[in-house]
Amino acid sequence: DAKTTQPNSMESNEEEPVHLPCNHSTISGTDYIHWYRQLPSQGPEYVIHGLTSNVNNRMASLAIAEDRKSSTLILHRATLRDAAVYYCILRSRGGADGLTFGKGTHLIIQP
Amino acid sequence: GAGVSQSPRYKVAKRGQDVALRCDPISGHVSLFWYQQALGQGPEFLTYFQNEAQLDKSGLPSDRFFAERPEGSVSTLKIQRTQQEDSAVYLCASSREGSAGDWRTNEKLFFGSGTQLSVL
Repeated sequence: DAKTTQPNSMESNEEEPVHLPCNHSTISGTDYIHWYRQLPSQGPEYVIHGLTSNVNNRMASLAIAEDRKSSTLILHRATLRDAAVYYCILRSRGGADGLTFGKGTHLIIQP
Repeated sequence: GAGVSQSPRYKVAKRGQDVALRCDPISGHVSLFWYQQALGQGPEFLTYFQNEAQLDKSGLPSDRFFAERPEGSVSTLKIQRTQQEDSAVYLCASSREGSAGDWRTNEKLFFGSGTQLSVL
C-alpha cells in the first residue's frame, strides 16, 4: 500500500470546522482512501472512505483532490469528543492484509 | 455484544511468563486481525485469519508469538517467555468479508478496545 503523510498534530476550537489534511502523492488509480480515528484508550474506529468523488456521512466529509494526490477529512462542527488520533490510510487491491497505520494526526479540541 | 470484545483489558506479567490474550470478533465476521500498538505509535500489523486459516503471519515479531483461531470465531494470541519489549496494547479487529478483490479496498475493520500488556 502507498504511503501517506499527515501533520503530527492540529488544534481547533470546539464547535468550529476542522480540516485534517493527508498527502498521498504515490497513490495509484485503484487505491481507496480510508480514514480511521482512535479515541483515548480505545481501538481505532472507521470514519469514512472514498475513491475519487467527495463523500459525506454522519461523522464527517472526505474531500479528494482532483489529481488524488491529497485529501482532507472535514469535521463540520468539532466537539470535545472528536479529540483523537486520525489516521489516513490507502487500501490497494493487491496490498497488505489489514490496514497499514502511520502515526496519524493528533487532534486537540479546545473548549 | 455487538462489537469486538477483548479480554483481559489489562494484563501484568513477570518477564519470562507466558500470556494468552483473547479476542471475540463480531459474530459471522470472516476476517480477523491482530495488531500491536506501542505507546505513541500507530498500530502495527501482526497476523491475519480468514475463518480458521492463518493467511498472513508476517508481522509476528518472533517465534515467541503464536496466534490461533481453531473454529473460525474466537482467536487467541499467545506470547511465550514475555520480555519487557512486548509491553504494548494488543488490538484485535474483524471484518465481514474475506475474499480477494474489492473487499480489501472497501471493507471496514471493527476494532476491540485492546489488551494492555505490561511486562515487568
